[in-house]
Amino acid sequence: AQSVSQHNHHVILSEAASLELGCNYSYGGTVNLFWYVQYPGQHLQLLLKYFSGDPLVKGIKGFEAEFIKSKFSFNLRKPSVQWSDTAEYFCAVIPGGTYKYIFGTGTRLKVLA
Amino acid sequence: ETGVTQSPTHLIKTRGQQVTLRCSSQSGHNTVSWYQQALGQGPQFIFQYYREEENGRGNFPPRFSGLQFPNYSSELNVNALELDDSALYLCASSITSGRETQYFGPGTRLLVL
Repeated sequence: AQSVSQHNHHVILSEAASLELGCNYSYGGTVNLFWYVQYPGQHLQLLLKYFSGDPLVKGIKGFEAEFIKSKFSFNLRKPSVQWSDTAEYFCAVIPGGTYKYIFGTGTRLKVLA
Repeated sequence: ETGVTQSPTHLIKTRGQQVTLRCSSQSGHNTVSWYQQALGQGPQFIFQYYREEENGRGNFPPRFSGLQFPNYSSELNVNALELDDSALYLCASSITSGRETQYFGPGTRLLVL
């Protein structure tokens, strides 16, 4: 079955630390890839997306993600986190030939001031 | 804010009852998808409506049904509520069906007692 794995369920960092959140998916064909963020008390918001082209994608608020097809991965990165980045982060995939988002279980990030 | 609104924000029902949740899509979007997000999990795809027709369904029983109206707003109906139906129900709209970016509403939190 198609699935998305986010191995880090909880991450705690100090401000200015670098962030990398893992996302792996189990589908061999063409995919569209997304990272969404859910700040406390707010709805899911699109952080960035990959459809095609340059595998290094830049999103809002200094986030970026790299699509590595050979590793079926789309890891999220930020060089220096801020307290305001405290949120839950979800990776999502649309496998080719479908239109259904498949979400990972999410990673809760807490940034200590 | 995405322009996707949902009502009500919270709801408490008892087992066996029926519930209707509502979603107003973002202006210019003709596709609405519904998701169930249980505590500690990522959103799970329930179904999608495109131009008033169900356009695909996830692994949910028939007691989960929906409608889309000519103005592209949508309803999710759940009959014979079970305790496990307690979750956050998310609506997302997109400009059309297919592998498009989806924009999420704030969700309706349903508690079944």
